[in-house]
Amino acid sequence: AQTVTQSQPEMSVQEAETVTLSCTYDTSESNYYLFWYKQPPSRQMILVIRQEAYKQQNATENRFSVNFQKAAKSFSLKISDSQLGDTAMYFCAFMKPQGAQKLVFGQGTRLTINP
Amino acid sequence: DVKVTQSSRYLVKRTGEKVFLECVQDMDHENMFWYRQDPGLGLRLIYFSYDVKMKEKGDIPEGYSVSREKKERFSLILESASTNQTSMYLCASLRTGNNSPLHFGNGTRLTVT
Repeated sequence: AQTVTQSQPEMSVQEAETVTLSCTYDTSESNYYLFWYKQPPSRQMILVIRQEAYKQQNATENRFSVNFQKAAKSFSLKISDSQLGDTAMYFCAFMKPQGAQKLVFGQGTRLTINP
Repeated sequence: DVKVTQSSRYLVKRTGEKVFLECVQDMDHENMFWYRQDPGLGLRLIYFSYDVKMKEKGDIPEGYSVSREKKERFSLILESASTNQTSMYLCASLRTGNNSPLHFGNGTRLTVT
């Protein structure tokens, strides 16, 4: 079974700083998908970024980028020029491309951006 | 835009009550999921369904059942609510296909007293 681990329960940075959230996973699959979701205080889960394992190029979405290290099974999220609106819980998730398409989530990291 | 609607944002029930949590999606997604969210544990999968009347157990199905009579609706049932089922419950839907994102409802915070 796949597992996803987020080792940082909480992080706090100043506005405009860069912050990196870590995520590691365990799988025997060679192809899969990885996601970062954001959950602000409104509770609505929002997709931040996704990565396909067979793509070597790291995904980017505006201020959000990932560092995908397949051999190390690591998938960290970097937020550049952090904003107050980035304050949220962040969840890393794994999904197999075939079979039951269910997501396995990590424990979450609570990120606070301070003014 | 996909909309996943959970019928209640907050719910308070007594121990032993039968509880229904309803979820409806409007984009004809084949797959629907119920997750439970607890601090320090992240989201854990309770049950999922990949088609009408089809269901599969997730990682923590004990004490729960589900119903999917129509494609757009996926219900989570607590047959006899217990205090350890106090939690945030999140419904999600997913279109079958590579790299499709999961779409979530706003969650139901259930308190069992």
